[in-house]
Amino acid sequence: DTEVTQTPKHLVMGMTNKKSLKCEQHMGHRAMYWYKQKAKKPPELMFVYSYEKLSINESVPSRFSPECPNSSLLNLHLHALQPEDSALYLCASSQGGHSGRRWRDSPLHFGNGTRLTVT
Amino acid sequence: EDKVVQSPLSLVVHEGDTVTLNCSYEVTNFRSLLWYKQEKKAPTFLFMLTSSGIEKKSGRLSSILDKKELFSILNITATQTGDSAVYLCAVGCSSDSNYQLIWGAGTKLIIKP
Repeated sequence: DTEVTQTPKHLVMGMTNKKSLKCEQHMGHRAMYWYKQKAKKPPELMFVYSYEKLSINESVPSRFSPECPNSSLLNLHLHALQPEDSALYLCASSQGGHSGRRWRDSPLHFGNGTRLTVT
Repeated sequence: EDKVVQSPLSLVVHEGDTVTLNCSYEVTNFRSLLWYKQEKKAPTFLFMLTSSGIEKKSGRLSSILDKKELFSILNITATQTGDSAVYLCAVGCSSDSNYQLIWGAGTKLIIKP
């Protein structure tokens, strides 16, 4: 088990559904990330929050909507997804974040992911 | 364009063998190189390398970075079936205002008993 907790572990949703993925960490990390990973591919960055503010949005379609209610929580709201959005969604956190004028490097710690299937 | 290339893409060895995985990179504003192991779910962090020539070691795993030749290797000695996984290399690069983690495609390692 990792120190980054993601729920649910599995999710099956129809294209008209609205659902949310949740991520929680209590390591005091100031940066949190959403990644999407397709089979046999490396993770693809979707969003980065630094100090609870959206820092990076990698041109992700608006049917994915991130939210960072506080420094420990990160949500990903899903609406009107397509079957090609089926993937493993990974949350990660790191100590580093945008502090002052530059990012502080530190390794990412990943959750176990949510396996999403869109039907 | 920034890129990270891992080799080989897949590798099958027998238990007890030693393996060397390679990661080469071409990026601007290099900050760090990270190795992860991914079995079925979360990538788990192995090493973060920022300085050339300093070996990092954890049990049977070790890694080193060469910033002149722009590559890193991950060594696993006395391999066990539990080492079977995809090993991912990622390079962190940044400007003052932004940060990117560029991922390699991974090396799939299979250890046969």
